[in-house]
Amino acid sequence: EVELLESGGGLVQPGGSLRLSCVASGFTFSSHTMSWVRQAPGKGLERVSGITGSSGSIYYADSVKGRFTISRDNSKNTLSLQMGSLRAEDTAVYYCVKGGTGTPFDYWGQGTLVSVSS
Amino acid sequence: EIVLTQSPGTLCLSPGERATLSCRASQSVSSSYLGWYQQKPGQAPRLLIYGASSRATGIPDRFSGSGSGTDFTLTISRLEPEDFAVFYCQYYGSSPLTFGGGTRVEIK
Repeated sequence: EVELLESGGGLVQPGGSLRLSCVASGFTFSSHTMSWVRQAPGKGLERVSGITGSSGSIYYADSVKGRFTISRDNSKNTLSLQMGSLRAEDTAVYYCVKGGTGTPFDYWGQGTLVSVSS
Repeated sequence: EIVLTQSPGTLCLSPGERATLSCRASQSVSSSYLGWYQQKPGQAPRLLIYGASSRATGIPDRFSGSGSGTDFTLTISRLEPEDFAVFYCQYYGSSPLTFGGGTRVEIK
């Protein structure tokens, strides 16, 4: 059974940093593109970042480019998102998702809430 | 960038009725990369349909997808109480992998 378990969310002040992690199980992690998708309160879905299995190709949405860094450790089946220079508009539930360009988002974590507020 | 426009914004129907949801792309897209997701309150989205018309694992056959080019449709043949939710279409063929704004299916 595929499982994606996110952690690391919380309350942070504007300008602060936070690191999200996602531990994957139930599939060959290194073979699959992974993504982070966020959902602001009461809003729709936005893919903010993605990384291929070998880390050879990385995507960032314009809204987070230069502030967020995605990475993965295939030896630990772990996906990470380092978030910096956080803004109020980054407040959202962040989902770890299996899938990316060319493949549907077939498995989602339960989400972790990031709140940016003073 | 592919922009996906979903309509209607809200659909009010009764259990047992048929639901027809529309997703229109700003330019022609490959149907191989069109997906539909269902999201219930407080839950993560769930993949329903991929490749415009293929049901994901465990999805009941009352859910069906169709379409090509710029116009795609998700049909729920007979609404069950557990089907009331928000539905999103997505194009995952090329970055950015955009989602539509969603259609909320509410109980009438």
